[in-house]
Amino acid sequence: QQQVKQSPQSLIVQKGGIPIINCAYENTAFDYFPWYQQFPGKGPALLIAIRPDVSEKKEGRFTISFNKSAKQFSLHIMDSQPGDSATYFCAASISTQGGSEKLVFGKGTKLTVNP
Amino acid sequence: DAGITQSPRHKVTETGTPVTLRCHQTENHRYMYWYRQDPGHGLRLIHYSYGVKDTDKGEVSDGYSVSRSKTEDFLLTLESATSSQTSVYFCAIRPGERETQYFGPGTRLLVL
Repeated sequence: QQQVKQSPQSLIVQKGGIPIINCAYENTAFDYFPWYQQFPGKGPALLIAIRPDVSEKKEGRFTISFNKSAKQFSLHIMDSQPGDSATYFCAASISTQGGSEKLVFGKGTKLTVNP
Repeated sequence: DAGITQSPRHKVTETGTPVTLRCHQTENHRYMYWYRQDPGHGLRLIHYSYGVKDTDKGEVSDGYSVSRSKTEDFLLTLESATSSQTSVYFCAIRPGERETQYFGPGTRLLVL
């Protein structure tokens, strides 16, 4: 119940394409869903995040779609560029003691955008 | 890297030796976290802290302990390192409730 399932493991698109990464969860106690972008040798960096009372959120070329009833959410990258080539992780947050949270991560999607 | 430093950045050690990794933040945030990242597993939470001397276990806490004696430092200790603890370790901070986590640059640990 604490898992977040992410697909695909890897994705190759041409410049200008729209890669889509999907995630699914079971635990309805999750209440916050961030996406992280990670370049080789670096720490994950927050890309965009959504709460379950919203069905879609856009920030620049990045869009999260959220389907609460299906317990699924996805990341779309519009007009993808070679600089978007990175590993993307979805995550789900559950509140814990002391006002903290635990993030459960998907296993990641390695995106390659060819020029 | 959100004012987070991790030390050391790289370490090679032998099985059975104790190892301590340090996470230091400059912003006095209340919440701090330790993760490990392994191929095929994504990031997994080891321990977290919600204040000085307040810590709790994550999903992969066996073989690890933590301490937080002051706000800015969160230490992760491998009491007796094993080869299965070879990994990249990330520290994260969270500025406040209803805010997300920001990650440090990571420590690459190799246990021989």
